[in-house]
Amino acid sequence: AQSVSQHNHHVILSEAASLELGCNYSYGGTVNLFWYVQYPGQHLQLLLKYFSGDPLVKGIKGFEAEFIKSKFSFNLRKPSVQWSDTAEYFCAVSYTGGFKTIFGAGTRLFVKA
Amino acid sequence: DVKVTQSSRYLVKRTGEKVFLECVQDMDHENMFWYRQDPGLGLRLIYFSYDVKMKEKGDIPEGYSVSREKKERFSLILESASTNQTSMYLCASTFSSNQPQHFGDGTRLSIL
Repeated sequence: AQSVSQHNHHVILSEAASLELGCNYSYGGTVNLFWYVQYPGQHLQLLLKYFSGDPLVKGIKGFEAEFIKSKFSFNLRKPSVQWSDTAEYFCAVSYTGGFKTIFGAGTRLFVKA
Repeated sequence: DVKVTQSSRYLVKRTGEKVFLECVQDMDHENMFWYRQDPGLGLRLIYFSYDVKMKEKGDIPEGYSVSREKKERFSLILESASTNQTSMYLCASTFSSNQPQHFGDGTRLSIL
């Protein structure tokens, strides 16, 4: 079955630290890749997406992600986190031609001020 | 901007009750989804619909049913609520799988 694996369930960082959240998906064809973020008390919203082209994609609030096809990975990065980045982050994959999007279990990030 | 509206933010029901969760989107999206979100498990797909009156089972459909009589509205039904259905329920919509999903605020459902 298709699946998405997020490497860390909980991450605690100090402000200004660099962030990298791992995401791997199972092999299955041509993929569309997403990172969503859920701030406390808010709905899930799109952080960034990859469909094709440049494997390094930039999203909102200084986040970026790199698609490495050979590793089936789509890791999320931010060079310097802020307290306001405290949230839960979900990696997600959909397969071209399909209806479903498969979500990872989520990573809870807590940034200490 | 896309708006996905779920009828209730918080809901408390009793075991055995029939429970209806409503979701409405305003962007004429073809596809709509119901997920449940539980800590450490991420989002798990219950049902989805790709057109009016069309529905498909997701990964955890047991104990649930859905209804899509109009394009903009997708209802989740708990036929006979049980305590293990206490969860956060999220509705989402999208034009196609190549596009991001747009989520509602969620309904936190407690079954006592």
